[in-house]
Amino acid sequence: AQTVTQSQPEMSVQEAETVTLSCTYDTSENNYYLFWYKQPPSRQMILVIRQEAYKQQNATENRFSVNFQKAAKSFSLKISDSQLGDTAMYFCAFMKPGNTGKLIFGQGTTLQVKP
Amino acid sequence: EPEVTQTPSHQVTQMGQEVILRCVPISNHLYFYWYRQILGQKVEFLVSFYNNEISEKSEIFDDQFSVERPDGSNFTLKIRSTKLEDSAMYFCASGGQGVEEQYFGPGTRLTVT
Repeated sequence: AQTVTQSQPEMSVQEAETVTLSCTYDTSENNYYLFWYKQPPSRQMILVIRQEAYKQQNATENRFSVNFQKAAKSFSLKISDSQLGDTAMYFCAFMKPGNTGKLIFGQGTTLQVKP
Repeated sequence: EPEVTQTPSHQVTQMGQEVILRCVPISNHLYFYWYRQILGQKVEFLVSFYNNEISEKSEIFDDQFSVERPDGSNFTLKIRSTKLEDSAMYFCASGGQGVEEQYFGPGTRLTVT
């Protein structure tokens, strides 16, 4: 069975600085998808970024980028130029391709951006 | 921009009562999901639904739970006899042609007393 682990329960960063959130996963699959979701205090789940395992290039979305290390089964999220609005819980998630689309989430990392 | 909506935003019910949580997925999406999040914990998969049938369900999704897409636009989760441990945030999500991206609704907070 697939598992997703986020080992940092809480992190903080100064506004405008860069922060990296860690995620590791365990799977025997070769092809899969990885995601980062943001959950602000409103508790809405917002997709931040996605990575396909067959792509070697790391995904980037504006200030958000990932460092995907397939052999190490590591998928970290880097937030550059942190903003106060980035304060949220961040969840790493795994999906095995198929017709079910089941997402398996990590425990989450609470990120606080300080002014 | 299209979005997933959920009603109600907060539901309070007594133990043993039936509740129905409602979701309106994005209109051209084909894949539908329910997840739940107990306060302070991670988000857990409950069930996925495609082509008018359940495609996968978790161990949590026992006989007390059911899902339905009654009219082609709504997607509902019913809990027949609620327990205290059913108290959680319930999220609906939908996905388009590929299952790779899921868009979540704002959630329904269920409180069982």
